[in-house]
Amino acid sequence: AQSVTQLGSHVSVSEGALVLLRCNYSSSVPPYLFWYVQYPNQGLQLLLKYTTGATLVKGINGFEAEFKKSETSFHLTKPSAHMSDAAEYFCAVRIDNAGGTSYGKLTFGQGTILTVHP
Amino acid sequence: NAGVTQTPKFRILKIGQSMTLQCTQDMNHNYMYWYRQDPGMGLKLIYYSVGAGITDKGEVPNGYNVSRSTTEDFPLRLELAAPSQTSVYFCASSYPADSNQPQHFGDGTRLSIL
Repeated sequence: AQSVTQLGSHVSVSEGALVLLRCNYSSSVPPYLFWYVQYPNQGLQLLLKYTTGATLVKGINGFEAEFKKSETSFHLTKPSAHMSDAAEYFCAVRIDNAGGTSYGKLTFGQGTILTVHP
Repeated sequence: NAGVTQTPKFRILKIGQSMTLQCTQDMNHNYMYWYRQDPGMGLKLIYYSVGAGITDKGEVPNGYNVSRSTTEDFPLRLELAAPSQTSVYFCASSYPADSNQPQHFGDGTRLSIL
C-alpha cells in the first residue's frame, strides 16, 4: 500500500524567504508523486508531478520538488515566497492495486497550510 | 471550457435527510472520483468510476452511493445524512490513456448536517 506523510501542518515564512514543504512517502512499487495547491474556497490544482526520469521536477509558479529514493522524500521548494503563495499544499501518491492497475487513484497527505508574512 | 462543475456549492441538511451532490465534466474524461476533505485529514477517496456503468468503492464509501450513466456525470448520493458526513466534497476527473495524468478538481460542495 502507498501512503504519504506531510511534516508540519502549518508553515510560516516571510515574503522573499525560502519555502520548504516536506513530504515523505511509503510505497512498495516505484512511486508516482504529486503536489497540489488549494486556494481558499477552491478545488485543488496540480503544481507538479514525478513519474519517471529526472528526479528534480519543476512546476508552475516557480515551485520545484526533488524525488529522493534513498530518503523516501519528495519535498516542495520555492526560492522566494510571494504573498500569493499563501494556500494549503497537498502531497499525493498514486495508489496501485495488487494487479498493478491504478485507475489514477491517489492517496493524499494531511496538507500543509503556508502563511506568507509581509 | 468549464472543466469540472459541482452543484450546489453550499448546503445545510437535517439529520436523516437525503440529497444528491452533482458533478459534471466536459473534458471527455473516463475516470472520475469523489473525495471528502476534513480539516487536518487531507482528502479521502469515497468512490471512483472508470467509465459509464462502472463504479467502485474507495477508502470511505459507507453512507454514500454513486452512479455513472454517462461519461459526463457522476452524482454522489447521501441517503440518510449523519453529522459525521459534514465535510467539503470534491469531484475530480482525469484522462485514462496515461493514469499519471493529473486529476482536475471542481470547486467543492460544502455540506453541513445539523
